[in-house]
Amino acid sequence: EPEVTQTPSHQVTQMGQEVILRCVPISNHLYFYWYRQILGQKVEFLVSFYNNEISEKSEIFDDQFSVERPDGSNFTLKIRSTKLEDSAMYFCASSEQDGSWYEQYFGPGTRLTVT
Amino acid sequence: AQSVTQLDSQVPVFEEAPVELRCNYSSSVSVYLFWYVQYPNQGLQLLLKYLSGSTLVKGINGFEAEFNKSQTSFHLRKPSVHISDTAEYFCAVSSPSGGSYIPTFGRGTSLIVHP
Repeated sequence: EPEVTQTPSHQVTQMGQEVILRCVPISNHLYFYWYRQILGQKVEFLVSFYNNEISEKSEIFDDQFSVERPDGSNFTLKIRSTKLEDSAMYFCASSEQDGSWYEQYFGPGTRLTVT
Repeated sequence: AQSVTQLDSQVPVFEEAPVELRCNYSSSVSVYLFWYVQYPNQGLQLLLKYLSGSTLVKGINGFEAEFNKSQTSFHLRKPSVHISDTAEYFCAVSSPSGGSYIPTFGRGTSLIVHP
């Protein structure tokens, strides 16, 4: 069964450093998403991406964040200068169509620890 | 704005016992409701969804949920749990009529099934 993969599973970085979280969505999917979950808190939407553009983003997704689909398979989330409060689990997801967003397939997540 | 409250952060239960995981939401417009499950070291997986029609919704793995509009609830139930049901469960709400399909998630409920 096709699945979304994410690398690395755990990333430790120092405050102020740049990090790139990587995701490989399901190959025929067109819509891509990033979410995060700070420990003990809710899963929060960050951004959605379609046709090489951001289609929607939340207030959390400020200028420190960017997304990119550098090739036909990867979808990345970059945090330019990490802060302690960026420590969280980051989930990537993909779906075939925007209207069936609820049939998003989620990856296993990357745990980001900022020290 | 919409919000989701999962009243229990952790629910311990013995194998073969029934279980109910509670979810309440708030929204000023009509909603779509969802339950996702996350097994250890895996991504979120859609368990079931309510879009319209019958308020009793059946999902995978023997789970079901009932949409109660007057109580703004969407509780998840299973009549007899297995050890393998041990996982994190997330309730989510979306209000497309409010302009966006993007879901709002609850904090999650950890279901722990004891032998």
